[in-house]
Amino acid sequence: EVQLLESGGGLVQPGGSLRLSCVASGFTFSSYAMSWVRQAPGTGLEWVLGISASGTYTYKADSDSGRFAISRDNSKNTLYLHMNSLRSEDTAVYYCAKGCSGVDCYLGNFDYWGQGALVTVSS
Amino acid sequence: IVMTQSPLFLPVTPGEPASISCRSSQSLLHSNGYNYLDWYLQKPGQSPQLLIYLGSNRASGVPDRFSGSGSGTDFTLKISRVEAEDVGIYYCMQGRRTPPSFGQGTRLEIK
Repeated sequence: EVQLLESGGGLVQPGGSLRLSCVASGFTFSSYAMSWVRQAPGTGLEWVLGISASGTYTYKADSDSGRFAISRDNSKNTLYLHMNSLRSEDTAVYYCAKGCSGVDCYLGNFDYWGQGALVTVSS
Repeated sequence: IVMTQSPLFLPVTPGEPASISCRSSQSLLHSNGYNYLDWYLQKPGQSPQLLIYLGSNRASGVPDRFSGSGSGTDFTLKISRVEAEDVGIYYCMQGRRTPPSFGQGTRLEIK
């Protein structure tokens, strides 16, 4: 059974940092692209960052401020989201999502999602 | 790429069909012939779940009353006969260009 278990969420002051982890099981983690998707309270879904199966390539929006970074440790079946200079507008539930593998893989086809980690940025 | 869904609110009688439209500001058709368009459902209090990928492929375990169609910039999710368990918010998402982007969501409610 595929499982994605996020941890590391919590309350952090504006300007602070936090690292989220997502431990994967039930599939060959090193073969699949992964992404982080967030959802601010009462709003829709927003893709945050993505990473290739090997970790060689990371994907972000052109407008990305560089405050967040994605990484993975395939030896530990773990995905990370490193968040710096946090702002109140970063308050959200952060989901890790399993992507696809293979030649026609794209940043989508998120077939499994974690339960989410709540990050609250407030003084 | 901007994704626009309609309607945003969809009240449906059980057993009746339902349809959600999703339009993209740019074509989602890749040269390989695939449309990089997914549909997700977020049931109340749950994480999103994949319904349809590459425009028209049902994800594993998704009932066959769900179907996806369309190409280029216009896509549709259809539910042939709505059941009570189908309530939630439906999102389309494009994966053709980085960053992937979601529609605003369509809230399906049972009448």
